[in-house]
Amino acid sequence: GAGVSQSPRYKVAKRGQDVALRCDPISGHVSLFWYQQALGQGPEFLTYFQNEAQLDKSGLPSDRFFAERPEGSVSTLKIQRTQQEDSAVYLCAVRKLMNTEAFFGQGTRLTVV
Amino acid sequence: EDQVTQSPEALRLQEGESSSLNCSYTVSGLRGLFWYRQDPGKGPEFLFTLYSAGEEKEKERLKATLTKKESFLHITAPKPEDSATYLCAVHPQGGSEKLVFGKGMKLTVNP
Repeated sequence: GAGVSQSPRYKVAKRGQDVALRCDPISGHVSLFWYQQALGQGPEFLTYFQNEAQLDKSGLPSDRFFAERPEGSVSTLKIQRTQQEDSAVYLCAVRKLMNTEAFFGQGTRLTVV
Repeated sequence: EDQVTQSPEALRLQEGESSSLNCSYTVSGLRGLFWYRQDPGKGPEFLFTLYSAGEEKEKERLKATLTKKESFLHITAPKPEDSATYLCAVHPQGGSEKLVFGKGMKLTVNP
């Protein structure tokens, strides 16, 4: 997607393993979002950053999920002790201005086996 | 609770056969409604933003409209390359900046 790169594109993790997913926006994007998309579903909100501040983490499904954006640019979503139900595509989205459209990355497909 | 419902869930059209996709929503207040297109294995691609009832936006064969309770995505004379999943999302009033998405509508256009 325009303006944001995610890595890795695919990740296979054994149940119980920790994973880290990276979102690298081009500069100038104040707002950054993480969404989770299960197969056949629409994206579901996980968390939101404005610069380095995590202003909303109401969508994180459990305390195994943790996100950070320490310098207001690159963000990392960490999932500890992965479970099978964590298998999904994790999407990062960025937005330049409030109340405007968000642009999504290609996503990371996580499969927990 | 803010909700978005898209119908139909899937739609098959012949090339050139126009149709409309529906997105109905329930929110306490609407800051914006967004349409995205998603191809398999890709992230959602932005199409339109609508902010107020009566507003319309057009791009090539697509036209999006908005009322107080629903939005329509009209596809005129579709081509096979229009095949994709179309996602509708609302940005509700309130403190959160999150988008609430529908499940999506898978469109297949046969040549």
